[in-house]
Amino acid sequence: DGGITQSPKYLFRKEGQNVTLSCEQNLNHDAMYWYRQDPGQGLRLIYYSQIVNDFQKGDIAEGYSVSREKKESFPLTVTSAQKNPTAFYLCASSYGLADTQYFGPGTRLTVL
Amino acid sequence: GENVEQHPSTLSVQEGDSAVIKCTYSDSASNYFPWYKQELGKRPQLIIDIRSNVGEKKDQRIAVTLNKTAKHFSLHITETQPEDSAVYFCAVYRGSNYKLTFGKGTLLTVNP
Repeated sequence: DGGITQSPKYLFRKEGQNVTLSCEQNLNHDAMYWYRQDPGQGLRLIYYSQIVNDFQKGDIAEGYSVSREKKESFPLTVTSAQKNPTAFYLCASSYGLADTQYFGPGTRLTVL
Repeated sequence: GENVEQHPSTLSVQEGDSAVIKCTYSDSASNYFPWYKQELGKRPQLIIDIRSNVGEKKDQRIAVTLNKTAKHFSLHITETQPEDSAVYFCAVYRGSNYKLTFGKGTLLTVNP
């Protein structure tokens, strides 16, 4: 899991602004994921990508967007349409969708 | 969709005692069951996993048991140590929708 990086570690945003979270991996994994974690909750899937130029909505995709132009990168944009964006965001990757997922260190987003 | 229930939500044990966390799931087609450990502010890390063709798996002080008929699986930690204190998440993978669904977590505290 040391091959997955996320930046920044902390991010502050004003209401009404879009913000993009970075996720990079050098594990040669095909699949990548974005999860949201709120206090006392499990991880909830936002988007996932099985392969370059393909991605699918997870359980809570509203107000978020992603792209997968490179195998190594899967950025997440939190748009102003997301009603309650303050949370801990975790990126993960795996060889395939049925394989073990490894997590990045996370980005803590706070909306002011 | 898949429903994953995790119990207990908090667990406090004395150092050296055993700890057991249980998860139940709803979809009998689910076939992969990982457990993650997450320390405060850190990324979830895989500690053990089991696939549906196996009933039990051990790794030193950690074991996972799976009862497919009853649709539940459990994490067992023996000879607990203070460094075992963390939040533990179970997860269930269902191949039909390619999703990993997480339980809400168990806060384990090991008292010296």
